[in-house]
Amino acid sequence: NAGVTQTPKFQVLKTGQSMTLQCAQDMNHNSMYWYRQDPGMGLRLIYYSASEGTTDKGEVPNGYNVSRLNKREFSLRLESAAPSQTSVYFCASSEWGGRGYNEQFFGPGTRLTVL
Amino acid sequence: AQSVTQPDIHITVSEGASLELRCNYSYGATPYLFWYVQSPGQGLQLLLKYLSGDTLVQGIKGFEAEFKRSQSSFNLRKPSVHWSDAAEYFCAVGETNAGKSTFGDGTTLTVKP
Repeated sequence: NAGVTQTPKFQVLKTGQSMTLQCAQDMNHNSMYWYRQDPGMGLRLIYYSASEGTTDKGEVPNGYNVSRLNKREFSLRLESAAPSQTSVYFCASSEWGGRGYNEQFFGPGTRLTVL
Repeated sequence: AQSVTQPDIHITVSEGASLELRCNYSYGATPYLFWYVQSPGQGLQLLLKYLSGDTLVQGIKGFEAEFKRSQSSFNLRKPSVHWSDAAEYFCAVGETNAGKSTFGDGTTLTVKP
């Protein structure tokens, strides 16, 4: 099993450009998440999808959109990138609901720089 | 709203010494608690979790943590640190009625030879 995969690994954008970060999981989890990690600020939740067909805002959703394409895939889109969105982005998945807890499995991250 | 505090931003210990990383949480109900480790340039990996039952939980790599409800704490311990334990450690509280967790800001562990 590959677990959680993310593409691309690295990306440099100019201010105002758009891009989509891709995430896929092969563990048949029902929940998926997007976080950003900035120095000294831990992980902040951008959006999550508790189950296929639903998405909800997290702590820092402004400037981002998401799509839960199917149970495996959850993408994050930056419509007009800004330097403040320079960060490392992590996708995660978990099995939540039936068992009630949400140990999360993380991808390797995407390092995004916005100039 | 739930929150997690990791009071120590950076800890340095000598190889072979014992380790304790502190975590305090705020949550209205019985929490699900997790410790994750992140090596440089990597994603996070689960070390251990508390869901219910025995308040002392064992994890991978020789780590353990103790849930103390009266102190709202979930401190991580290891009796003898190895150089390979140098990493960033995150404590998290999982909401029992929603599919998400809140993470602390992390503690960076440096191991001196």
